[in-house]
Amino acid sequence: DAKTTQPTSMDCAEGRAANLPCNHSTISGNEYVYWYRQIHSQGPQYIIHGLKNNETNEMASLIITEDRKSSTLILPHATLRDTAVYYCIVRVGNSGAGSYQLTFGKGTKLSVIP
Amino acid sequence: EAGVTQFPSHSVIEKGQTVTLRCDPISGHDNLYWYRRVMGKEIKFLLHFVKESKQDESGMPNNRFLAERTGGTYSTLKVQPAELEDSGVYFCASSQDLGYEQYFGPGTRLTVT
Repeated sequence: DAKTTQPTSMDCAEGRAANLPCNHSTISGNEYVYWYRQIHSQGPQYIIHGLKNNETNEMASLIITEDRKSSTLILPHATLRDTAVYYCIVRVGNSGAGSYQLTFGKGTKLSVIP
Repeated sequence: EAGVTQFPSHSVIEKGQTVTLRCDPISGHDNLYWYRRVMGKEIKFLLHFVKESKQDESGMPNNRFLAERTGGTYSTLKVQPAELEDSGVYFCASSQDLGYEQYFGPGTRLTVT
């Protein structure tokens, strides 16, 4: 799997948008970008994923650059409950080739400030 | 719909003893994964089942770890004999199909003394 680079930590004011960047310059054509988060002492939680188009769901939006070398996870209105470590992971989709394991890095520790 | 469940939530054992962790995936999910985070380290993949078959066990650390998924439903992960460095949190995840998003359980915190 391609290596990802994320900032170690970020702060965000409650109610504001949180924009979490991720670099994945060596991503392959069949690899998706996945975002997970881990709230203290809980299991990782799936947020969103995408291949090349921007994606939005009830939790977040994912913006992927045209060259697919970087992406941004956007939490539109951050709350205190969004304080967590956010992981950007690249992995093959359902093409049938490659490993399906998730490779977690150190992630970005997001602190939402009241 | 119930999520992934794991039992026990916490286990404390002595070095040399045996512990068995259990994972119940989301109903209908053929794919089941085990991960763990040992102290101060990142979450690491252990293995992946498709139904009852081991699809990928490249992350299993050594032969003290044995994972099974008889019948393709729940899975167990046995550590025998446990060592101090096995302490950490063991997570289970499941997905509906290959390449689909994985949903994690709350984890089992294992402490080996």
